[in-house]
Formats: sequence, C-alpha cells, structure tokens
Amino acid sequence: QQQVKQSPQSLIVQKGGISIINCAYENTAFDYFPWYQQFPGKGPALLIAIRPDVSEKKEGRFTISFNKSAKQFSLHIMDSQPGDSATYFCAASTLRGGGNKLTFGTGTQLKVEL
Amino acid sequence: DSGVTQTPKHLITATGQRVTLRCSPRSGDLSVYWYQQSLDQGLQFLIQYYNGEERAKGNILERFSAQQFPDLHSELNLSSLELGDSALYFCASSVVNDEQFFGPGTRLTVL
Repeated sequence: QQQVKQSPQSLIVQKGGISIINCAYENTAFDYFPWYQQFPGKGPALLIAIRPDVSEKKEGRFTISFNKSAKQFSLHIMDSQPGDSATYFCAASTLRGGGNKLTFGTGTQLKVEL
Repeated sequence: DSGVTQTPKHLITATGQRVTLRCSPRSGDLSVYWYQQSLDQGLQFLIQYYNGEERAKGNILERFSAQQFPDLHSELNLSSLELGDSALYFCASSVVNDEQFFGPGTRLTVL
C-alpha cells in the first residue's frame, strides 16, 4: 500500500532529447509528490513537486505530469543535457496527519550522451 | 548546498558498537527527518521531529533512536551495530511539513 513504483531503472538519452521517468502509487491518501535528483556522493536535491489538485507543473526544463485517476505521475526533462546525468527519485507522502514521511521510488539512473 | 549540515562525513566502526550522527537543519527550519539509503533497501524514511517532538515514524529499528534538541539540531543514535547497518544516512529539514532539503549524508561502514 505504501509502495511507489518507478520506471525505467536506467535511461540513456541523447543531448537535446526528452527524458521521461514514470512513477505509480497505490495509496490514495498520498497528496504530495516531489522529485529529487541525486549525484554520486551527494544528498538528494529537490527538483520539483506537485499536489494532486493540478495535472501539470513546469519549472524551467522540468515538468511533472500527474494523473490522479490512474495514480501515476511522471517527470519530463526537456532539452536534456550531459549535466542532467544523475539518479532521479520520485517520492510521495501524505501531508494530512501531521508528518511528511516520504516514500521513495527505486530510482532511475539517467545518462545523457553527447 | 542545501544549508543542512551533517557530521561526520564518514564513519567506520565495528559490529556491536554505538555511533551518533549529527544534523543541523537549515536556518528557520523546525522539522528534521532521517533517512537511510542502501543498495538493497533504497531510500527509507526513519523518523521525523518537529520542534523537539517526534512527528512521524517509519520502519526504524529499536536499536536506533533519535532526538531533536532545543537549538533544533538532531542526533541519530545507532547501537549494537550490524554489518547490514552499513549505509548512507541522510538528514533533511523543512520549515514545518513541506519541502524537504537533504544534507550531504554520513556514510557508515560497519566492519
């Protein structure tokens, strides 16, 4: 019930292409969906987050698409650059109830090639 | 740089020992979170404190404990260490319950 499934496990994209990472969840109580980027040896860095009252949120080259009925959300990275090569994690939590306990997906290793 | 600091950066110890990991949140943040990252378990939530009080708890082992002090820094205590406790331990902070900003982590190696 608490699991967040993330795919693909790894992704290779050409420079300038679009990277797409998908996540699915089961717990309908989740109401907060952030994406994190992690470089080797570093902590996860918050990229962008969405609440279920909107279907899309864009910040620069990063866009989250959210489908509440399908219980799915995805990250699109437009004009992918070699500097985007990192591991990306989706996450979900329930903000109601007092805490913000993030449940993470298993991660996607993105490599952007020249 | 997220503004969250963690010490030490690396820790090597033996099975059965006890260690303390320290975290200082971003200025103004009242919530502190602890996560464990390992190859087999991924990123797992351990515990959240808000202004000194426990707010949420994950699958934290009984051998592990945490606290948040009046100056808002937090410590994670790991005791009776086992080989399987080797992992990266991250602290994150947020103003209350919102966007979490992660520190650089402490890499724990149990030999």
